[in-house]
Amino acid sequence: AQKITQTQPGMFVQEKEAVTLDCTYDTSDPSYGLFWYKQPSSGEMIFLIYQGSYDQQNATEGRYSLNFQKARKSANLVISASQLGDSAMYFCAMRENLAMRETSGSRLTFGEGTQLTVNP
Amino acid sequence: DAGVIQSPRHEVTEMGQEVTLRCKPISGHDYLFWYRQTMMRGLELLIYFNNNVPIDDSGMPEDRFSAKMPNASFSTLKIQPSEPRDSAVYFCASSSRLNNEQFFGPGTRLTVL
Repeated sequence: AQKITQTQPGMFVQEKEAVTLDCTYDTSDPSYGLFWYKQPSSGEMIFLIYQGSYDQQNATEGRYSLNFQKARKSANLVISASQLGDSAMYFCAMRENLAMRETSGSRLTFGEGTQLTVNP
Repeated sequence: DAGVIQSPRHEVTEMGQEVTLRCKPISGHDYLFWYRQTMMRGLELLIYFNNNVPIDDSGMPEDRFSAKMPNASFSTLKIQPSEPRDSAVYFCASSSRLNNEQFFGPGTRLTVL
């Protein structure tokens, strides 16, 4: 079974509008972390936001927020006030076994990504 | 901080040749990761190190791939002999024990003809 599922291969949004990129995950580990990365056409991977499984509040970083619904195992990324520079591929990723971090380390599993296009 | 540094940025080689990719992690980061990205398979973790020790190499495709981390500031990923199906972008990333996010290098785009 896929550990990270991003069901939207492509998304389009008008500049200045908000957009939600979907991510669902599958784990039996009670301790895990969820990440979103942005990959523009230049190719680099840019960290955006992190949500821990025990965090009480949804993570926010500037225009990025994470809609974390633990019971549904979803961690959707919300980008507010889209900008042309937001056009990129967006990856959701999960790290499990946080409680055993020191021995098992920090393995990240990535979803297939969503290509976001912001239209002027 | 300069971030994670990878070299070369682009590599074109012929099938059968040895390829060595290099990575310098962010100073002070205890974890180093090698990923491969292709259209078909997306981002895959190949191997990662903790304090220079390989922890999990289950993602290494086959014996042609090897990775080393002789010290805290340098790692190599070697492919010998290379094959056309190895063509991909190879990313190196590092993270700190105290932080959660992984910082990625710019990647090496490998083309094997």
